[in-house]
Amino acid sequence: QKEVEQNSGPLSVPEGAIASLNCTYSDRGSQSFFWYRQYSGKSPELIMFIYSNGDKEDGRFTAQLNKASQYVSLLIRDSQPSDSATYLCAVNDNYGQNFVFGPGTRLSVLP
Amino acid sequence: EAGVAQSPRYKIIEKRQSVAFWCNPISGHATLYWYQQILGQGPKLLIQFQNNGVVDDSQLPKDRFSAERLKGVDSTLKIQPAKLEDSAVYLCASSKIVPNEQFFGPGTRLTVL
Repeated sequence: QKEVEQNSGPLSVPEGAIASLNCTYSDRGSQSFFWYRQYSGKSPELIMFIYSNGDKEDGRFTAQLNKASQYVSLLIRDSQPSDSATYLCAVNDNYGQNFVFGPGTRLSVLP
Repeated sequence: EAGVAQSPRYKIIEKRQSVAFWCNPISGHATLYWYQQILGQGPKLLIQFQNNGVVDDSQLPKDRFSAERLKGVDSTLKIQPAKLEDSAVYLCASSKIVPNEQFFGPGTRLTVL
């Protein structure tokens, strides 16, 4: 059974700080990695995706991937109260199949 | 560009009744996904279609759940008969084949009494 693990939180950070969200996955065949944000009562929305080892930056968000360690993370710089949400990590294989979501980490940004 | 459409948004039924959900993906998206999200958990993939063929239905409880995607566009997911543990939000998502970033609809909140 392929698994994706995340710390359920809540992770609390002060406004303006860097929030660091972590995700590990069990399937070494995983090739694509996604971060989604889900506000309470809403559906997930894509923040960013990463396919290659290293860092990928998009605005205040940076995704980091280390396939050898089977680890992907999301950094949120200059955290805002509007970033308070659940962050879902998702992975799939090279064929765009076997899509698995983690349980999500609840982030709370304190004003 | 219109997003993923789902209906109904809410449904309340009694156990052993049947229910159906409808999804219309983003135009041009070949791949369609149905997920079940139980409160406090991440979405669980039930079935993945590419055009009108099934790519992955390994976690679909086939004794009570069925799904179809006629003509490779919109899709329906049916539960018959429903159980209490089916209470969840049912999410539909769509993507291109490449890249396969998924875009989600608003979901259908199902309550089974």
